[in-house]
Amino acid sequence: QQPVQSPQAVILREGEDAVINCSSSKALYSVHWYRQKHGEAPIFLMILLKGGEQKGHDKISASFNEKKQQSSLYLTASQLSYSGTYFCGTEGPGTSYGKLTFGQGTILTVHP
Amino acid sequence: DADVTQTPRNRITKTGKRIMLECSQTKGHDRMYWYRQDPGLGLRLIYYSFDVKDINKGEISDGYSVSRQAQAKFSLSLESAIPNQTALYFCATSDNRQGAPNYGYTFGSGTRLTVV
Repeated sequence: QQPVQSPQAVILREGEDAVINCSSSKALYSVHWYRQKHGEAPIFLMILLKGGEQKGHDKISASFNEKKQQSSLYLTASQLSYSGTYFCGTEGPGTSYGKLTFGQGTILTVHP
Repeated sequence: DADVTQTPRNRITKTGKRIMLECSQTKGHDRMYWYRQDPGLGLRLIYYSFDVKDINKGEISDGYSVSRQAQAKFSLSLESAIPNQTALYFCATSDNRQGAPNYGYTFGSGTRLTVV
């Protein structure tokens, strides 16, 4: 079952912040985040492995609440280059280990 | 050169035809995947392989088959193409070696397939 991302779309002006959420109905081992520009391949942003772990990559960071089976991606002081579709990919334990199930995506548009 | 190469980049084929999409990688990863992308549905897993002798069905494998010819090559076939298989197809790899830094999946550039 696919994780659910919210919101489905976000429109920002440069410098504004955004949060994208990813929620799963199943137990999770890890959460990945990817960004895809139109017509291109998804690009890996970061992976979160432990409950409550937060990672950062420039002005993009993420958190993972293992107990709630949720992850959030934080984009601060957005830049034009942040525009694209963001996907979370979830990996479960057991038979789900080693393969990702992706959310439906969140379209982020940053305007000057 | 790209780490994960997919051929062809674009393909138009007729209903009922057999078609093969190819994927090759130079990253030395054991794990390879085929995903399909449709607007609003995200990426859905068709097949995956953890090594040359290991092939597994994903969530939407009906109508597809795969072949892992070598560690570096993983092909996807549509035995008898139908219009609702029109989509963007991505191959991906990942590294599961002990102690390797986790850089997530590396995707190929995709194959845009249209079945008419």
